[in-house]
Amino acid sequence: AQSVTQPDIHITVSEGASLELRCNYSYGATPYLFWYVQSPGQGLQLLLKYFSGDTLVQGIKGFEAEFKRSQSSFNLRKPSVHWSDAAEYFCAVGAATGGGNKLTFGTGTQLKVEL
Amino acid sequence: DGGITQSPKYLFRKEGQNVTLSCEQNLNHDAMYWYRQDPGQGLRLIYYSQIVNDFQKGDIAEGYSVSREKKESFPLTVTSAQKNPTAFYLCASRDPGQGNQETQYFGPGTRLLVL
Repeated sequence: AQSVTQPDIHITVSEGASLELRCNYSYGATPYLFWYVQSPGQGLQLLLKYFSGDTLVQGIKGFEAEFKRSQSSFNLRKPSVHWSDAAEYFCAVGAATGGGNKLTFGTGTQLKVEL
Repeated sequence: DGGITQSPKYLFRKEGQNVTLSCEQNLNHDAMYWYRQDPGQGLRLIYYSQIVNDFQKGDIAEGYSVSREKKESFPLTVTSAQKNPTAFYLCASRDPGQGNQETQYFGPGTRLLVL
């Protein structure tokens, strides 16, 4: 069964500092990987996704993520955080193996930005 | 304006009452999903539907029911058998993308509270 681990429940960074949110997955084949962001009381917004090819993927709002198969990781990065980035971030792994592309989510990382 | 809408934004349920959450999309997506979100637990799949008049149970289907009579609509009923219904409920639909690069997009959510 597929699973996702986000080891950091809360992270606090200063505005302008760099950010890295960790995501480790467990999946038997090549995974489809996603990062979503959620503001309080809102739905999830897709930041970026990886299916195949170039292991460094660019997303919206200046975010990027790198797929490392050897480490089973898909960490999210941003070189300079803005106060508006404060939100909860979810990593997800999916598969299209006849299961309807079900996604398995991590438990999320809450990002706080200090001004 | 294309997208996924959920209503109501807030819903209150009394003991022994069934309530129905609405999810509508005008994106022409075949597949739709219902997730439940609890603090610290990420998102868990309740039901999904890959095509009209067909749906499958997810990981936590007990106490819930769905229907898929129209492509645009995938309502979720929280029955009285669901003993702990207080949660944030998220609906998603799946964009098939190019070359099997399927991506789920989410609605704004419904918060269900028990009186």
